[in-house]
Amino acid sequence: DTEVTQTPKHLVMGMTNKKSLKCEQHMGHRAMYWYKQKAKKPPELMFVYSYEKLSINESVPSRFSPECPNSSLLNLHLHALQPEDSALYLCASSQEGRSADTQYFGPGTRLTVL
Amino acid sequence: DAKTTQPNSMESNEEEPVHLPCNHSTISGTDYIHWYRQLPSQGPEYVIHGLTSNVNNRMASLAIAEDRKSSTLILHRATLRDAAVYYCILRDRGNYQLIWGAGTKLIIKP
Repeated sequence: DTEVTQTPKHLVMGMTNKKSLKCEQHMGHRAMYWYKQKAKKPPELMFVYSYEKLSINESVPSRFSPECPNSSLLNLHLHALQPEDSALYLCASSQEGRSADTQYFGPGTRLTVL
Repeated sequence: DAKTTQPNSMESNEEEPVHLPCNHSTISGTDYIHWYRQLPSQGPEYVIHGLTSNVNNRMASLAIAEDRKSSTLILHRATLRDAAVYYCILRDRGNYQLIWGAGTKLIIKP
């Protein structure tokens, strides 16, 4: 099974809402990633978890809060977002995060902030 | 910082080979070259990667120039299902960061 699942597929939220995105993998991977992708642009790395510890936070605003409850799950908590945060949010995982490792991506959550 | 340069788009006929170029003149000795593709409404999908030698797998071949300043992804017989945005990516050893190119939109004509 080489699948990364993400829920929900689509999310519409107001600027005062609190919501969460969920990501799950059962490949035994120890590195998990959140990316943000705007239309017609490549994905931008937001966060990396390695062995359930936050390893990289690419200067992401605090209105985005990641959480890794266990080695298979990754959440992204959203609060007080802005319309410019509307984008496709992608989760990925890899064996350990080494430079030759393949990253497996989920289908993404399409987020719209009104 | 290393970066990659790719053509914005390319067209090819179905069942013909496709050569997708990528320039990475500032590549360092420890950077791996990865290629991913993204089909419409999907997440990116791994295609192939290499360091110095040419590589083949069931999806594609990767030809790496001797000086490593450029590489070419080769799809041997393109089908309509290969229509996607293809990203050429560098990844430094010991670094989680993928340095993504802008991507080439591949259009396959039946």
